[in-house]
Amino acid sequence: DAKTTQPPSMDCAEGRAANLPCNHSTISGNEYVYWYRQIHSQGPQYIIHGLKNNETNEMASLIITEDRKSSTLILPHATLRDTAVYYCIAGRGGGADGLTFGKGTHLIIQP
Amino acid sequence: GAVVSQHPSWVICKSGTSVKIECRSLDFQATTMFWYRQFPKQSLMLMATSNEGSKATYEQGVEKDKFLINHASLTLSTLTVTSAHPEDSSFYICSAPPRAGGPSEQYFGPGTRLTVT
Repeated sequence: DAKTTQPPSMDCAEGRAANLPCNHSTISGNEYVYWYRQIHSQGPQYIIHGLKNNETNEMASLIITEDRKSSTLILPHATLRDTAVYYCIAGRGGGADGLTFGKGTHLIIQP
Repeated sequence: GAVVSQHPSWVICKSGTSVKIECRSLDFQATTMFWYRQFPKQSLMLMATSNEGSKATYEQGVEKDKFLINHASLTLSTLTVTSAHPEDSSFYICSAPPRAGGPSEQYFGPGTRLTVT
């Protein structure tokens, strides 16, 4: 997996959009960008993934820059339940390979 | 999304005993499952890859004779911590991809908290 860099922590006000950045400047052409989150003392939860194009699902949007060296996860209307550690992982994907987790970003949603 | 369960959710055992943790994919088949370990205030670390019908592959530094993995069916993988010691106390988490091979998200179990006294 390519190395990823994320800010260690971020705050966001409840109801606002939370924008979580991730740098993956060494990502190779066949590697995807995956986002997971882990709420305290629970197993991680899959959020979204993408290769080149921006992606959106019911949980979040993923914006990938044209050169694919960085991406942003957007939670459009953050709630208190979105407080968690968010992990950005750049790799070929988890179908056959385990995931390499970095330290992630601890997102704290403030009331 | 797909559901992965783990049992037990927490377990306390005495030093020197063995503990078995089960990981099940409830609504899909998984030829591959993964086992992770997470110590307090640290990130998840991949321990091993569990393959249905073949031997597990272990990450560097993980003792295969201590952490026995059996992928008995397309929906069940088990991790047995043998001769457990207090340093094995950790949060053990399994995951499974709903699609084998190529790019796929993984779905994680809720984790098993092991305390060895």
